[in-house]
Amino acid sequence: SQQGEEDPQALSIQEGENATMNCSYKTSINNLQWYRQNSGRGLVHLILIRSNEREKHSGRLRVTLDTSKKSSSLLITASRAADTASYFCATDAGSGGSYIPTFGRGTSLIVHP
Amino acid sequence: KAGVTQTPRYLIKTRGQQVTLSCSPISGHRSVSWYQQTPGQGLQFLFEYFSETQRNKGNFPGRFSGRQFSNSRSEMNVSTLELGDSALYLCASSAQIDSYYGYTFGSGTRLTVV
Repeated sequence: SQQGEEDPQALSIQEGENATMNCSYKTSINNLQWYRQNSGRGLVHLILIRSNEREKHSGRLRVTLDTSKKSSSLLITASRAADTASYFCATDAGSGGSYIPTFGRGTSLIVHP
Repeated sequence: KAGVTQTPRYLIKTRGQQVTLSCSPISGHRSVSWYQQTPGQGLQFLFEYFSETQRNKGNFPGRFSGRQFSNSRSEMNVSTLELGDSALYLCASSAQIDSYYGYTFGSGTRLTVV
C-alpha cells in the first residue's frame, strides 16, 4: 500500500513557469524524500527533509514539510524542458536502524519548451 | 564513484521459467533494497538486505527471493514466472551507517514475461 500520495497525478506547464507538487501521507514519519524518474529509468534522489525540519532548498528545488497536516510540497522554480519526469515522494517510518521508503504513485510533470 | 549497477538491463522470459537479477551497490553501501515498479501498482518494496541478512520483506509471494553476498552485491530470483511479474525491477543502495541520506537507485532491469 502507498504511504505517500502525490497530487496532482499529472502537471503540464511551460518552460520558465514554476511547478508545485504535493504529497500527503498517513502515519508519523522520520523523514520524507523526493525522487525524480525519467522515463523507464531508475529514480534519482532529489532531497531529504527530516521530520524536525520545515523547509529545505537545493538549487531550484524547495521542499516544505508540515507534519501537523502530514503533507509536503516540492516546488521547482523556473522549470526547464529537462525537468520533464515523474516525481515521487517517499516516506519512511522505520526504526532500529532500518529505513524503508514507501513511495507514492508519483506526479508526471511535462515541461513544454 | 561508480553508481548502482544492475544487470541485465532487459530480459524476456517465458511463463514458468525462473530469472535472476543482479545488483552491485555503491562501494561502502551495506544496505540493498529491491523494488518492483508496474504502471498499476507503482513502486512496491520487495526486500532489503543489510550485511548479508534480509532485514525487511515486503508483501510478495515466496517465488520472490533474494540474497546478499559478503561484498554487498545482491541478487534477486523469481521462480515460476507469471505474466504479472513483468515489471521494472529497481535496486537501491544506501549507506545507513551513521545516518540516512536516501537511496541511490540503479537504472533497473526491465523484465518481460511472455
